[in-house]
Amino acid sequence: GDSVTQMEGPVTLSEEAFLTINCTYTATGYPSLFWYVQYPGEGLQLLLKATKADDKGSNKGFEATYRKETTSFHLEKGSVQVSDSAVYFCALSDESGAGSYQLTFGKGTKLSVIP
Amino acid sequence: NAGVMQNPRHLVRRRGQEARLRCSPMKGHSHVYWYRQLPEEGLKFMVYLQKENIIDESGMPKERFSAEFPKEGPSILRIQQVVRGDSAAYFCASSSGRGQETQYFGPGTRLLVL
Repeated sequence: GDSVTQMEGPVTLSEEAFLTINCTYTATGYPSLFWYVQYPGEGLQLLLKATKADDKGSNKGFEATYRKETTSFHLEKGSVQVSDSAVYFCALSDESGAGSYQLTFGKGTKLSVIP
Repeated sequence: NAGVMQNPRHLVRRRGQEARLRCSPMKGHSHVYWYRQLPEEGLKFMVYLQKENIIDESGMPKERFSAEFPKEGPSILRIQQVVRGDSAAYFCASSSGRGQETQYFGPGTRLLVL
């Protein structure tokens, strides 16, 4: 079945540091890939997505490129801020065969940014 | 607010009671997914519904759990005879359902079973 493996945290960075959170996936079809962010006590917010190989998703300074050859979708940001402190989830969506495009999530990476 | 709405946000139940969780999808969306997030874990798919139809319930526990999405009103996830292991955050997400459309999440219901 489909699976997502992402870098385990927690990750602690100083403000303005460079961020990379690694994510690799296994899928039988041609999935779409997503990064979601969850702030404490809240639901998930879509951060960015990519629907086909070599697509780059970007939002709020975050970027990730869909790499089919390495089955990866690593999240990067050049300069993190304290407000970026949250849990980040990598996910894929693939047609399940039952007509469902359920999301398969990684376990999440908690990021703490200190001033 | 045109976003996905869930209620209640927090729910406390004693073992053996029933829990009912509600989800109203985003305006214009007729497809709902339910996910469960156990402590320190990622989200796990439970069930996918369209109006009046369960499309995929492969992630639902075989007993005590059921879901519906009636023609009128919110989608409901029902847990009968709750046990402590049911304590989790339950999220619903909605989509317009056309292919691999993005899913938009609600704020979740945090269920605590005493």
